[in-house]
Amino acid sequence: DTEVTQTPKHLVMGMTNKKSLKCEQHMGHRAMYWYKQKAKKPPELMFVYSYEKLSINESVPSRFSPECPNSSLLNLHLHALQPEDSALYLCASSQVGEHIQYFGAGTRLSVL
Amino acid sequence: AQSVTQPDIHITVSEGASLELRCNYSYGATPYLFWYVQSPGQGLQLLLKYFSGDTLVQGIKGFEAEFKRSQSSFNLRKPSVHWSDAAEYFCAVGARNYGQNFVFGPGTRLSVLP
Repeated sequence: DTEVTQTPKHLVMGMTNKKSLKCEQHMGHRAMYWYKQKAKKPPELMFVYSYEKLSINESVPSRFSPECPNSSLLNLHLHALQPEDSALYLCASSQVGEHIQYFGAGTRLSVL
Repeated sequence: AQSVTQPDIHITVSEGASLELRCNYSYGATPYLFWYVQSPGQGLQLLLKYFSGDTLVQGIKGFEAEFKRSQSSFNLRKPSVHWSDAAEYFCAVGARNYGQNFVFGPGTRLSVLP
């Protein structure tokens, strides 16, 4: 099973809302990633977790708050987002130290 | 730091025609190289990878890529394109000593004419 599952598939939220994106994998991977992808652009790395600890934060605004409660689950908590945060948010996982990342289908986020 | 260029923003080919998508990278040593494909509204699927060894690598869906160190290139090829190959293609480079994140190229959008 090489599946990374992301929920929800679509999310519409207002600028004052609080919402969360969820990512789950059961491949035994101990590295998990959040990417942001704007239309017609490549994915941009936001966060990397290794062994459930945040190892890379690519200067992401604090209105995005990641959480890795266990080795299979990765959340992205959203609060007070701006319309320019509307994008496809992709989750990925890999073995620590390996470079092959497996991607989920993404959550399409619209901020009104 | 490593970087990736994909010179072609958009390519259109006829179904059954051959395909080559270009990728050039910048890195001080031999990098890890990848091609990913993304269908509209979907996540990324790994087509193939190069780590070391044979410079011609085979991937899924009939794709292959060739690593050319002298040209810093990793071009993707397919001998006969199918309509279902229409998608966005991303080349990515991983640094061998940089940890786990890598850099994506800007992408090439492939359209297939019937």
